[in-house]
Amino acid sequence: NAGVTQTPKFQVLKTGQSMTLQCAQDMNHEYMSWYRQDPGMGLRLIHYSVGAGITDQGEVPNGYNVSRSTTEDFPLRLLSAAPSQTSVYFCASTDDRSYNSPLHFGNGTRLTVT
Amino acid sequence: AQSVAQPEDQVNVAEGNPLTVKCTYSVSGNPYLFWYVQYPNRGLQFLLKYITGDNLVKGSYGFEAEFNKSQTSFHLKKPSALVSDSALYFCAVRALGGSQGNLIFGKGTKLSVKP
Repeated sequence: NAGVTQTPKFQVLKTGQSMTLQCAQDMNHEYMSWYRQDPGMGLRLIHYSVGAGITDQGEVPNGYNVSRSTTEDFPLRLLSAAPSQTSVYFCASTDDRSYNSPLHFGNGTRLTVT
Repeated sequence: AQSVAQPEDQVNVAEGNPLTVKCTYSVSGNPYLFWYVQYPNRGLQFLLKYITGDNLVKGSYGFEAEFNKSQTSFHLKKPSALVSDSALYFCAVRALGGSQGNLIFGKGTKLSVKP
């Protein structure tokens, strides 16, 4: 069982470049989300989705776009990368129908913007 | 506004000693509280949760947490620490509004267990 898979594991971008961080889950979870992790700041929610075709903003959405065309995939797009987006990005999913369900996390993508 | 505080950036304990990682919360209404652990270069892994019921919650790897409503705390504990417990620990509370999947995380506490 793969769980939540994120690609790539590492990425270096120049300021202004664009890229897509991929996230896929094989647990048929309705809820998926993207967090960024920065030293001393914990994890902050970027965007989330409660099902295919439905997305919404989290705490720090600026500079990021998302879409959810299938239940399995939830890509995160950086249209014009900035050094402030240097971070570790985590995708997570859960069964949204229960408050008891924990989040399942991928292993992260470490992004550096120069 | 809801928030979670982990007052210690780092906790150092000797192997075999009990450990406590502290967490306090601020929520409107009933809190739904979680602890996660992160090993180097890995994603977060779920340890345990408090939804309702018994104030002492048992989780994975011998960890437990005590919910204290009057002190708004949810401290993580283990009776006897192992070197392999060394990791980054996050406390989280379920966010109000939006999706019930959204969590608010504390800043994390680095646990270091020395042999």
